[in-house]
Amino acid sequence: AQSVTQLDSQVPVFEEAPVELRCNYSSSVSVYLFWYVQYPNQGLQLLLKYLSGSTLVKGINGFEAEFNKSQTSFHLRKPSVHISDTAEYFCAVSVGGGADGLTFGKGTHLIIQP
Amino acid sequence: DVKVTQSSRYLVKRTGEKVFLECVQDMDHENMFWYRQDPGLGLRLIYFSYDVKMKEKGDIPEGYSVSREKKERFSLILESASTNQTSMYLCASSLGRPLRGNQPQHFGDGTRLSIL
Repeated sequence: AQSVTQLDSQVPVFEEAPVELRCNYSSSVSVYLFWYVQYPNQGLQLLLKYLSGSTLVKGINGFEAEFNKSQTSFHLRKPSVHISDTAEYFCAVSVGGGADGLTFGKGTHLIIQP
Repeated sequence: DVKVTQSSRYLVKRTGEKVFLECVQDMDHENMFWYRQDPGLGLRLIYFSYDVKMKEKGDIPEGYSVSREKKERFSLILESASTNQTSMYLCASSLGRPLRGNQPQHFGDGTRLSIL
């Protein structure tokens, strides 16, 4: 079975500073990787996904993530954050070839300080 | 855009009641999912369905059941609600083909359920 670890439950960052949210996964087979964002009182919205090909994936709102197979990581980055990026971010994995739903990390709360 | 609609944003029920949470999607997706979200635990899969009248258990199915009589609708049922089922419930849907695993899931806004 696969699992996802988000190493930080909370990340405070000053506005316009860069940010990295860390995600590591474990799986014995190939995986598909996703990052979702949840704004207060809303459902989850897809930020970006890695299915295959280029290991650097660009998503919405200026976010990007890099798939590193040797380190089993899929860290999310943004070069300059805004107040509006304050939200909960979830990393998720599904197993290639027929998944039984997504396995989520516990989430990272990104707090943007003015 | 895909629209996943959950019938209630907030719901308050009493212990022992039978509770129905409804979810409808408008994109003809084959797959539908129910998750619960709790602080510090992330999202955990309760049940999912790949087709009408088909269901499979997720990671935490105990105390829940589901119904999928029509492709667009997936219902979560709490047979006898208990206080430990107080949580945020999220419904999601995704395309089923060609491979289930590589299709992103689209989420509703959630139902915050309180069991008193």
